[in-house]
Amino acid sequence: GQQLNQSPQSMFIQEGEDVSMNCTSSSIFNTWLWYKQDPGEGPVLLIALYKAGELTSNGRLTAQFGITRKDSFLNISASIPSDVGIYFCAGATPNTGNQFYFGTGTSLTVIP
Amino acid sequence: GAVVSQHPSWVICKSGTSVKIECRSLDFQATTMFWYRQFPKQSLMLMATSNEGSKATYEQGVEKDKFLINHASLTLSTLTVTSAHPEDSSFYICSARERSLNEQFFGPGTRLTVL
Repeated sequence: GQQLNQSPQSMFIQEGEDVSMNCTSSSIFNTWLWYKQDPGEGPVLLIALYKAGELTSNGRLTAQFGITRKDSFLNISASIPSDVGIYFCAGATPNTGNQFYFGTGTSLTVIP
Repeated sequence: GAVVSQHPSWVICKSGTSVKIECRSLDFQATTMFWYRQFPKQSLMLMATSNEGSKATYEQGVEKDKFLINHASLTLSTLTVTSAHPEDSSFYICSARERSLNEQFFGPGTRLTVL
């Protein structure tokens, strides 16, 4: 199936720094989701976006639905050690029955 | 948020045996459930999509006779790995889509180890 390009692949940052990652697709999507996965666990939904240009926050996390509808961004402000994990984006379009396609993941390491 | 459970959380079995993994949506009705496989440090690989009351749709390269999926009710889907072999060892994760929302919620995953 289709896979989304996510970058960067991995990040090593100091505690307190801000983090930015993005996800791009060759297709237009009408829904973008961002998940976080801790080791040995299933992904947990962080933010859902439904409209081009939409900017949504969840605590220190902010995600945006790109106006081209082919990309999305996730920002984490003032990172803390528990932000460590793998972040996945997912996009869906009615053209494929609203099936979600997942990004390749961004591995985040926060150094205390 | 919506809760999805998986059972068991881990299983170790001998080569040649079959293993059944259950996925339940606890507080919502899931018309569609998905089964993924994930190798270490890799993304989620969709194996199959199942709609309640109908046959599952398998992704290319996934053997439907080896990975049997049953979605008997709006809250339960099962994945049976038949005649498991060591190469089937992996992390299997299910997810469920709530009927009214365009969102997917994941279970905690099942770690399968085939000896």
